[in-house]
Amino acid sequence: AQSVTQLGSHVSVSEGALVLLRCNYSSSVPPYLFWYVQYPNQGLQLLLKYTSAATLVKGINGFEAEFKKSETSFHLTKPSAHMSDAAEYFCAVSYNTNAGKSTFGDGTTLTVKP
Amino acid sequence: DAGVTQSPTHLIKTRGQQVTLRCSPKSGHDTVSWYQQALGQGPQFIFQYYEEEERQRGNFPDRFSGHQFPNYSSELNVNALLLGDSALYLCASSLFWDRGRRGEKLFFGSGTQLSVL
Repeated sequence: AQSVTQLGSHVSVSEGALVLLRCNYSSSVPPYLFWYVQYPNQGLQLLLKYTSAATLVKGINGFEAEFKKSETSFHLTKPSAHMSDAAEYFCAVSYNTNAGKSTFGDGTTLTVKP
Repeated sequence: DAGVTQSPTHLIKTRGQQVTLRCSPKSGHDTVSWYQQALGQGPQFIFQYYEEEERQRGNFPDRFSGHQFPNYSSELNVNALLLGDSALYLCASSLFWDRGRRGEKLFFGSGTQLSVL
């Protein structure tokens, strides 16, 4: 079985500050990991994915995530927050790159203060 | 290039009724996955369709059924609606095989907001 835990349902940062959104996973086989962003009244958009290549993954909009097997973590970071980053972020895990059957965390709402 | 489109955007039903939601995948995609997203939660996988067959299924009762058409579009049907079925229903499309590997990239629609009264 696989599962995802996102620590912190709400994160608030100031504009220009570091963004850190935490994700821990549980998987009995090597995982494929994803981060998605969801803006109000929109579907989810893929930010980045880890599929057993480089452990540091760079995504869109300046986000990156590092896969740490020893910590079973896949935290999302961005060096400098922008107002447009305010959204809900979901971490997801799947088997065998079948991203269609993914298990999602409950999400973290990111607020960016001016 | 049209992305994933879902219809309707909003729907209100009463308990016991039946509902059909529709999804057109992104151009070139052949696989459709359906998710239920309850308020304040992450999406939960319902099932996945490829080549007009249900390929994978999540932990949802038989009241939830689907169909995929030859043009790759898909429908989600829910019978005997319960209050707890109120949620945002998301459709995601992908390629089943992408350059020799299973498709890794999902494209989501904006969803259908279903309210059951």
